[in-house]
Amino acid sequence: DTGVSQDPRHKITKRGQNVTFRCDPISEHNRLYWYRQTLGQGPEFLTYFQNEAQLEKSRLLSDRFSAERPKGSFSTLEIQRTEQGDSAMYLCASSGQGGHLNEKLFFGSGTQLSVL
Amino acid sequence: AQTVTQSQPEMSVQEAETVTLSCTYDTSESDYYLFWYKQPPSRQMILVIRQEAYKQQNATENRFSVNFQKAAKSFSLKISDSQLGDAAMYFCAYLNYGQNFVFGPGTRLSVLP
Repeated sequence: DTGVSQDPRHKITKRGQNVTFRCDPISEHNRLYWYRQTLGQGPEFLTYFQNEAQLEKSRLLSDRFSAERPKGSFSTLEIQRTEQGDSAMYLCASSGQGGHLNEKLFFGSGTQLSVL
Repeated sequence: AQTVTQSQPEMSVQEAETVTLSCTYDTSESDYYLFWYKQPPSRQMILVIRQEAYKQQNATENRFSVNFQKAAKSFSLKISDSQLGDAAMYFCAYLNYGQNFVFGPGTRLSVLP
């Protein structure tokens, strides 16, 4: 168990560019979550997968955001035509080890996005 | 929709003393989970403690304990014998199984030597 890993740790991009982040959850976890966090705020839910199915997507999420989890393992989050307001820490988390009695959310270290 | 409220943006405690962080939540569900997460300056989110709503007994993890009042929808975190390493942002979170985790806005805890 190597924990949840996210890549890259930091991303600086120019406004209007597309960016893609990757998350590798804990291997036996079937649920994967993406959150966004700005400084001094709590994590804000973006979207959630159970295996490869995207079960929920925040209404706050613009059409410029898309996430995939094609084989129910790693996930990618893409932001198209980035805006300065997209600057934030993007957190990935996973959970699910054989039943809800053991529900815990394990977080990666996050990807810090800066849009110039 | 479920909401989580943390009414204390900042708290401070003297080293070795006890501090309580407050959390209230809103839900119509009867079966759910509540969590406290710690986020130090490294920004890595770390699970501190978890409570299942169907359990009446308050959860305890070493120096950390909760006061879970289901009828009042209150879930406070008590940190005993505070240490300098406890300084961090603390987030209360709610989960209804099969849905996503909802986080509160956080409380920044400072520990004074």
